[in-house]
Amino acid sequence: EDQVTQSPEALRLQEGESSSLNCSYTVSGLRGLFWYRQDPGKGPEFLFTLYSAGEEKEKERLKATLTKKESFLHITAPKPEDSATYLCAVAMSNTDKLIFGTGTRLQVFP
Amino acid sequence: DTGVSQNPRHKITKRGQNVTFRCDPISEHNRLYWYRQTLGQGPEFLTYFQNEAQLEKSRLLSDRFSAERPKGSFSTLEIQRTEQGDSAMYLCASSLVGGTNTEAFFGQGTRLTVV
Repeated sequence: EDQVTQSPEALRLQEGESSSLNCSYTVSGLRGLFWYRQDPGKGPEFLFTLYSAGEEKEKERLKATLTKKESFLHITAPKPEDSATYLCAVAMSNTDKLIFGTGTRLQVFP
Repeated sequence: DTGVSQNPRHKITKRGQNVTFRCDPISEHNRLYWYRQTLGQGPEFLTYFQNEAQLEKSRLLSDRFSAERPKGSFSTLEIQRTEQGDSAMYLCASSLVGGTNTEAFFGQGTRLTVV
């Protein structure tokens, strides 16, 4: 069964304390892996797309990497405004729908 | 274009009533998706359109749910005879198939509460 698992479920960081979020997937034929940020009561905001193992993308304090079985979202020197739920999703080669994980709730304290 | 627009943002309805939500995608996007999200969960796929054609529908979607995209632009999602279990955030997203990137952009969602 196609599945996306994110860990940890929740993460509390001190401002400036770098860490990584994990997204592991088991799908038949990965077309792309997507990272989204979601603030409470709002829709997901697109961050990155990764298409092949070894690919990396960066945006400000965020860096996403991809292997054949998992992706990491590295957060360097986070700030309180980085607090949000980070969602990982995969698209398979035979369909355009996204399969989402349950997300990691990140809280960054000053 | 300011992105994907969804209306209403909030809807409270009594059990058994019908509700309809509207989604206006990013203007040049040809794919439109509907997802449902409950508290603490990731979005769950419901259905998607390529232009006006409905290409895929989740097996989890009961017969009470119907979606349309009559002219390949905006879309509506109707829920008939609402149940308390339908309470959720309903998200719409759009993407451009055939372009360089395939990412989907989401709207702010419609929060449905069935009482």
